[in-house]
Amino acid sequence: IAGITQAPTSQILAAGRRMTLRCTQDMRHNAMYWYRQDLGLGLRLIHYSNTAGTTGKGEVPDGYSVSRANTDDFPLTLASAVPSQTSVYFCASSPGQGSRTGELFFGEGSRLTVL
Amino acid sequence: EDQVTQSPEALRLQEGESSSLNCSYTVSGLRGLFWYRQDPGKGPEFLFTLYSAGEEKEKERLKATLTKKESFLHITAPKPEDSATYLCAVWPGGSNYKLTFGKGTLLTVNP
Repeated sequence: IAGITQAPTSQILAAGRRMTLRCTQDMRHNAMYWYRQDLGLGLRLIHYSNTAGTTGKGEVPDGYSVSRANTDDFPLTLASAVPSQTSVYFCASSPGQGSRTGELFFGEGSRLTVL
Repeated sequence: EDQVTQSPEALRLQEGESSSLNCSYTVSGLRGLFWYRQDPGKGPEFLFTLYSAGEEKEKERLKATLTKKESFLHITAPKPEDSATYLCAVWPGGSNYKLTFGKGTLLTVNP
């Protein structure tokens, strides 16, 4: 069982370029999330989706967009990358039901550097 | 706004030296508090869920407890393989599944 698969694992990107980070889960979880993790700031929620077809803004959504066309995929797009978006990005999913709501399964992360 | 504060930021222990990590929180109507472990270069890994004050959960050398204002992660006789960053998160409940994470405690256990 793969769980959460993120791609790419690492990327260097020129400022102003468009970039999509891919995330796929094989657990049929309802909820999916994108977090960024920065030294000294911890994990911060960018966008989330409670179920396929719906999305919501997290704590730091500006400059990012997401879509949830189906249960398994939750891509994160940077329309025009800026250096402040240099970070490690984690995709996560959870059953989103009752007692397992906060049990998030994380991917291995995508390290993005914007120059 | 939900807030989670973890202390200390870093903790260095000798193998076998027991200690506790703290997670204090401010949230309207806590529905769940969660502990995660994160190894360098990896995504966080779920450890425990606590739902109500007085609840305790155990896993190997780890025990998590919850009061109305804070949670503790007690580490008994730690081993070097327990070295990691430990993250705490809260969920206020409702139809929104967003969690708020603390910044974590970096635990180093020396042999």
